[in-house]
Amino acid sequence: GENVEQHPSTLSVQEGDSAVIKCTYSDSASNYFPWYKQELGKRPQLIIDIRSNVGEKKDQRIAVTLNKTAKHFSLHITETQPEDSAVYFCAALPGTGFQKLVFGTGTRLLVSP
Amino acid sequence: DSGVTQTPKHLITATGQRVTLRCSPRSGDLSVYWYQQSLDQGLQFLIQYYNGEERAKGNILERFSAQQFPDLHSELNLSSLELGDSALYFCASSVEGGPSGELFFGEGSRLTVL
Repeated sequence: GENVEQHPSTLSVQEGDSAVIKCTYSDSASNYFPWYKQELGKRPQLIIDIRSNVGEKKDQRIAVTLNKTAKHFSLHITETQPEDSAVYFCAALPGTGFQKLVFGTGTRLLVSP
Repeated sequence: DSGVTQTPKHLITATGQRVTLRCSPRSGDLSVYWYQQSLDQGLQFLIQYYNGEERAKGNILERFSAQQFPDLHSELNLSSLELGDSALYFCASSVEGGPSGELFFGEGSRLTVL
């Protein structure tokens, strides 16, 4: 089945810096790659997603890139702010069988003022 | 507000006991998913239901069971509870049988087993 690996597990940056979180997936048929943000004690919320027919997608300060050949996708956050501090999860949707998202293990991002 | 409602929000119980967590999906969503999140851990997929039928199973213990009712709400039953079952249990819903779109998570039920 699909396996998603996420790195790094923790990331500390200064306010205003950029942050990059990387994920790799194993199933070449996977076709949907969302990113969820989970603030402490809260529910995960979708912040951006990308489908396999697109290489890059941007939404204000966040962007996601997808390299299907290498089977990896990344989340880029520019001009980080303290409120970006949270755990970020990547996920992949296998393209075959009964569909269910497979989540990465999460990245704890800490943005220091 | 995601539109997914989970009850109870917090639950404290003792080892060996049984609890039931309840989830009401967003209006119109046919799929319900259950995830377990232990302290500082990722989201572990437990089970998925689609329109009343079990669709996919993950790392769900035999002591745990779930069902989705005709009104589409779902219940997760946890029995013979152990200390290690303490976790945040999330329910999520989506429109179709598979999350080709967004998964909407509830606020979670925090279970503490003493």
